[in-house]
Amino acid sequence: GDSVTQMEGPVTLSEEAFLTINCTYTATGYPSLFWYVQYPGEGLQLLLKATKADDKGSNKGFEATYRKETTSFHLEKGSVQVSDSAVYFCAPYNYGQNFVFGPGTRLSVLP
Amino acid sequence: DVKVTQSSRYLVKRTGEKVFLECVQDMDHENMFWYRQDPGLGLRLIYFSYDVKMKEKGDIPEGYSVSREKKERFSLILESASTNQTSMYLCASSFRGREKLFFGSGTQLSVL
Repeated sequence: GDSVTQMEGPVTLSEEAFLTINCTYTATGYPSLFWYVQYPGEGLQLLLKATKADDKGSNKGFEATYRKETTSFHLEKGSVQVSDSAVYFCAPYNYGQNFVFGPGTRLSVLP
Repeated sequence: DVKVTQSSRYLVKRTGEKVFLECVQDMDHENMFWYRQDPGLGLRLIYFSYDVKMKEKGDIPEGYSVSREKKERFSLILESASTNQTSMYLCASSFRGREKLFFGSGTQLSVL
């Protein structure tokens, strides 16, 4: 079945540092790719998505590019803030099926 | 804004008890989902429903059942709670295409 590999962390960074969270996936067909974020004490919410190869999704300063040749969708942010501390989930999605969530990567940003 | 409300934030139950977790959404979504979230395992789908009185098993349905009598409400039932069901339970909903999920804040269930 479909699966996701992402670094679990925790990833600890200082404020204004550069962030990369790696995500690779195996999936049937041609999935859309998503990043969801879970802030402390909350449910998951959609952060960004990309629907086809070479598309770049972006939101709140975060970016990820759909790399079909390497089946990857790495999340990046140029300058993290304390408020970015959360758990980040990579998830491929094929229409009509259910999401496959990765294990999540916990990010802690220190002031 | 879409609101998905789970009835309890924290719940403590005894082994063998029957447990009900309730979820209500206010956006007339067709689809509703129950996940459990465990460290290192991410989110795993227990059951989902795409219409009233309709349900389908997810990846880990054993030990659980669900009920959807009204479109806005989706209940997860643990018929006889066991310690290995201690977990964070997340409810989600979406429109028919399922692409964007809206999550509740979760219920942390401890079974002693």
